[in-house]
Amino acid sequence: KAGVTQTPRYLIKTRGQQVTLSCSPISGHRSVSWYQQTPGQGLQFLFEYFSETQRNKGNFPGRFSGRQFSNSRSEMNVSTLELGDSALYLCASSLGRSENGYTFGSGTRLTVV
Amino acid sequence: AQSVTQLGSHVSVSEGALVLLRCNYSSSVPPYLFWYVQYPNQGLQLLLKYTTGATLVKGINGFEAEFKKSETSFHLTKPSAHMSDAAEYFCAVSVIPGGGADGLTFGKGTHLIIQP
Repeated sequence: KAGVTQTPRYLIKTRGQQVTLSCSPISGHRSVSWYQQTPGQGLQFLFEYFSETQRNKGNFPGRFSGRQFSNSRSEMNVSTLELGDSALYLCASSLGRSENGYTFGSGTRLTVV
Repeated sequence: AQSVTQLGSHVSVSEGALVLLRCNYSSSVPPYLFWYVQYPNQGLQLLLKYTTGATLVKGINGFEAEFKKSETSFHLTKPSAHMSDAAEYFCAVSVIPGGGADGLTFGKGTHLIIQP
């Protein structure tokens, strides 16, 4: 079956702009989580959506937001981009319970210049 | 809050030798534990997980890990390293068992180098 699809794979944006990243989970998975990966901070949890509701949120500023659609696809938005937002953004798909595990996409590499 | 410590940011072993990647966690409640592998420019691939039951967990590609509650450890091992094992390995913990998904807390990662 198809895996987790993240688009686009690469993105270059200018400081102050906003960006939207997309994630399509595995068919049947209702949970989508987002993570930021940087060399300095490692992998950090952004937020998780389950059945269109944000169920959990990490410690990130309000510039980072997300949503989930009825077909479980999720988007993540970052407004007023800063240089420090340059990172690999990973999406993880799950049936919805931690013990099910999480399947990750290949990520979107965002570069802010 | 939970945390994960991976000892050694880089580990180098010879091809055919034992691989041992160390992971210790901190959690006030029984955790779910995971090992993921990441190849360059890729996402994370699940190697194995511990939720409940048998404490020795077998995963893909010949890897296994043992949950030791008394030592708060979940070390990853493989009897014989292969060149294709060279990658970044992440240990992660989730501490809302029984429901929900609080997000994974990851260790900093261990870069595994395989010497020919």
